[in-house]
Amino acid sequence: GQNIDQPTEMTATEGAIVQINCTYQTSGFNGLFWYQQHAGEAPTFLSYNVLDGLEEKGRFSSFLSRSKGYSYLLLKELQMKDSASYLCAAVSNDYKLSFGAGTTVTVRA
Amino acid sequence: GAVVSQHPSWVICKSGTSVKIECRSLDFQATTMFWYRQFPKQSLMLMATSNEGSKATYEQGVEKDKFLINHASLTLSTLTVTSAHPEDSSFYICSARDSQDYEQYFGPGTRLTVT
Repeated sequence: GQNIDQPTEMTATEGAIVQINCTYQTSGFNGLFWYQQHAGEAPTFLSYNVLDGLEEKGRFSSFLSRSKGYSYLLLKELQMKDSASYLCAAVSNDYKLSFGAGTTVTVRA
Repeated sequence: GAVVSQHPSWVICKSGTSVKIECRSLDFQATTMFWYRQFPKQSLMLMATSNEGSKATYEQGVEKDKFLINHASLTLSTLTVTSAHPEDSSFYICSARDSQDYEQYFGPGTRLTVT
C-alpha cells in the first residue's frame, strides 16, 4: 500500500519562510508531486521531483531524498495569497497518484 | 496548454436520480484519465482509472455499478453517479495525462449535492 504523511496545519507570518515536510512509503515510486489547493478548487501543480536534490522555482522550492522517503516544499517570502492547502503526492509506475492528507498553511499579516 | 475541463461545475440532484459528469482534455490527447473524490477537509481519494477504449479500473471499496465510467475517446471521459444518495455528495475531480510523462492535469472539479 501507499502511505503519505504530512503535517495537518502550519501558520506563518507574511514575508516568512515555511517548510512543509512529507514522508512517503510507496511501492513502484516514480516521483513526488506538490500541489496547491484553495478551498473549493482543484489542485494546481507546483513541482515534480524524481531525482534527489532541490528544485527551485521562484518563491517555491522542493526537495527529494529517495533513500529517506522524504520530501519538503519550501515557501519563501510568504504572501497572504499563499494561504491554502498543500498536497504531497507520490506517483507510482502505474501512473497513479497517492495523496497525503494535505497541509493547511495560514499566512498571518 | 494541458487544459482539462469538467462539466457541470456544480449540480444538485434528488436522491435516487443519476448524474453524469464530463471530463475533457482540451488541447491534448489523454491516454489515461483519473477520477477522484474529495470530502470536506480531506485529501483526494482516487476512485478509478480509465484508459480510452477499455474498462475502468476501480480502487478498492469503490462500487463500479454505482460509479459508471466511460472513456469513449482520447479527449472525453464521463462519470455517472447512479441512484445518488446524500452520502455521495462530494467534490469530484478528474485528471488526465498524456503518454509523455507522469504529470496529471486536473479539471476544475464538480461539486455534487444530493438532497
